[in-house]
Amino acid sequence: DSGVTQTPKHLITATGQRVTLRCSPRSGDLSVYWYQQSLDQGLQFLIQYYNGEERAKGNILERFSAQQFPDLHSELNLSSLELGDSALYFCASSPTLRRGGLQETQYFGPGTRLLVL
Amino acid sequence: KNEVEQSPQNLTAQEGEFITINCSYSVGISALHWLQQHPGGGIVSLFMLSSGKKKHGRLIATINIQEKHSSLHITASHPRDSAVYICAVYSGGGADGLTFGKGTHLIIQP
Repeated sequence: DSGVTQTPKHLITATGQRVTLRCSPRSGDLSVYWYQQSLDQGLQFLIQYYNGEERAKGNILERFSAQQFPDLHSELNLSSLELGDSALYFCASSPTLRRGGLQETQYFGPGTRLLVL
Repeated sequence: KNEVEQSPQNLTAQEGEFITINCSYSVGISALHWLQQHPGGGIVSLFMLSSGKKKHGRLIATINIQEKHSSLHITASHPRDSAVYICAVYSGGGADGLTFGKGTHLIIQP
């Protein structure tokens, strides 16, 4: 158990809908990262938040947005869903003691499996 | 953009064998991560390297910055080592995240 929790574990929805994925980082970790893993693209970095602020951005679509709240939990919002958005979405956290966190060990949550029908 | 290549893509070996998984990248990096993804989907971070060599139990990770290459070794492999091993690099600069390889699917047969 990494100490990172994600809800829900599974989500089935329809095209055009909007969903929210939630992540609670390990106690004390300031950075949260979101990743998408699909069969054709593999793992892709979406976005990093550090202590409530966006720190780094990857291949995140405009239909997707994220935020980190004062209690450090984070939410990833996916809207106007398409079939191709079906994937595993992972959240990870790290302490971020130095250098923005990407040079630290990251602790991964169990993932949310999203199926868009 | 950094290109990350892993080899082999698939590897089947017998229990007890010494395993090597390779990772090459195209642009200089600040850090390299080795991850393990179990059949159930969970991801565990094995190592984070910026230079040299790290060892944890039967796992050893090395990196050669000049050659832009890293290796993950497993000694005395065991069926429980069966998983996908993923290399990821951070090129630095702060604004970008990790770039991932496609993974190496390892099966250790008893």
